[in-house]
Amino acid sequence: GAGVSQSPSNKVTEKGKDVELRCDPISGHTALYWYRQRLGQGLEFLIYFQGNSAPDKSGLPSDRFSAERTGESVSTLTIQRTQQEDSAVYLCASSLAGGGETQYFGPGTRLLVL
Amino acid sequence: AQSVTQPDIHITVSEGASLELRCNYSYGATPYLFWYVQSPGQGLQLLLKYFSGDTLVQGIKGFEAEFKRSQSSFNLRKPSVHWSDAAEYFCAASSGSARQLTFGSGTQLTVLP
Repeated sequence: GAGVSQSPSNKVTEKGKDVELRCDPISGHTALYWYRQRLGQGLEFLIYFQGNSAPDKSGLPSDRFSAERTGESVSTLTIQRTQQEDSAVYLCASSLAGGGETQYFGPGTRLLVL
Repeated sequence: AQSVTQPDIHITVSEGASLELRCNYSYGATPYLFWYVQSPGQGLQLLLKYFSGDTLVQGIKGFEAEFKRSQSSFNLRKPSVHWSDAAEYFCAASSGSARQLTFGSGTQLTVLP
């Protein structure tokens, strides 16, 4: 079956511009996660959606970052007024439910802020 | 604070040699434990996971990992490494109260012919 998909695969933007990153989770997966991976580092948790519950935003690094999810489908991560330190690979994952279920990752969006 | 540590940033082994990648965790209770592999330009692929029960876990591609509660470790092993195993390996953990994964900083594996 189809895995987690993300678009675009690459995004180059200028400092100060807004960007939107999209994630399509595996069908039927109620939990969706966003992570950030800076060059040469591990993944940092950003935000978690579980069904219709309020999202866990505890990992968002600043108020320039926000995310939405439509029901149990597509999610969009928005970064406003991008900064050079936002350059990273943004990875989305989904799982059947939260709480230890295996997370399946998409290929990521590589963001470069000039 | 909950954390996962991978002490080795880079490991080099010869093809056919055995491999052990180290992972230590710091959690209040035993977390769920995972190993992922990331090849260049690829997303993360799950190798294996430990939730409870048998402390020796078998995964894909001939990998296994052993959970040792006394050492707070979950080391990844493979008896004979293949050139295609060259990649970056991440250990990760989650607990019942925190749905997200906490990742180690990764170990880059180089395989010599």
